[in-house]
Amino acid sequence: SAVISQKPSRDICQRGTSLTIQCQVDSQVTMMFWYRQQPGQSLTLIATANQGSEATYESGFVIDKFPISRPNLTFSTLTVSNMSPEDSSIYLCSVYRDPEAFFGQGTRLTVV
Amino acid sequence: AQKVTQAQTEISVVEKEDVTLDCVYETRDTTYYLFWYKQPPSGELVFLIRRNSFDEQNEISGRYSWNFQKSTSSFNFTITASQVVDSAVYFCALQSNTNAGKSTFGDGTTLTVKP
Repeated sequence: SAVISQKPSRDICQRGTSLTIQCQVDSQVTMMFWYRQQPGQSLTLIATANQGSEATYESGFVIDKFPISRPNLTFSTLTVSNMSPEDSSIYLCSVYRDPEAFFGQGTRLTVV
Repeated sequence: AQKVTQAQTEISVVEKEDVTLDCVYETRDTTYYLFWYKQPPSGELVFLIRRNSFDEQNEISGRYSWNFQKSTSSFNFTITASQVVDSAVYFCALQSNTNAGKSTFGDGTTLTVKP
């Protein structure tokens, strides 16, 4: 199994500001993923965080809005930029350790 | 393209009833993995089971059981003698080798177990 520490666990932010979410894994992993879960909805993949290169974004998500860093094989950050109430969601990081995906406990973001 | 369909949006049962949550998936890959996760109100995803595409044996774990049928592309989840603590959102997910690590989730089924 993989132990994933994600923080903050929750936050309330003002619109127009940015929040950076951190994801720390207990051992090196090749692939890290960021998901968003809007209220009452399923999980949607935002991007794949690649170590040493730019993240790969899914359709509907752009780097300017969700910049991602992956400085090493155990750590990644997701920033939600210029937030609006529509960004209120749970954000989860996930790591892949063949053949299973593990999830962090999530960051519950409320934008007011 | 991959797709996971959980047709039941909400289910409500009375404690001690049995309940089955349906999951139907689509993929062109021959090797893939299916998952069930539980998401209680606190929000974290709790892993319940992983099944690979080559293993169609049904599995039982306590009050939980899973029925994997490749012929109908279904991976259904049954809770026997449900309890109030089973109330949560349950997600079925698909992960294939061609999208290693990326999981495609169904929309989830909200299960409410009433005392």
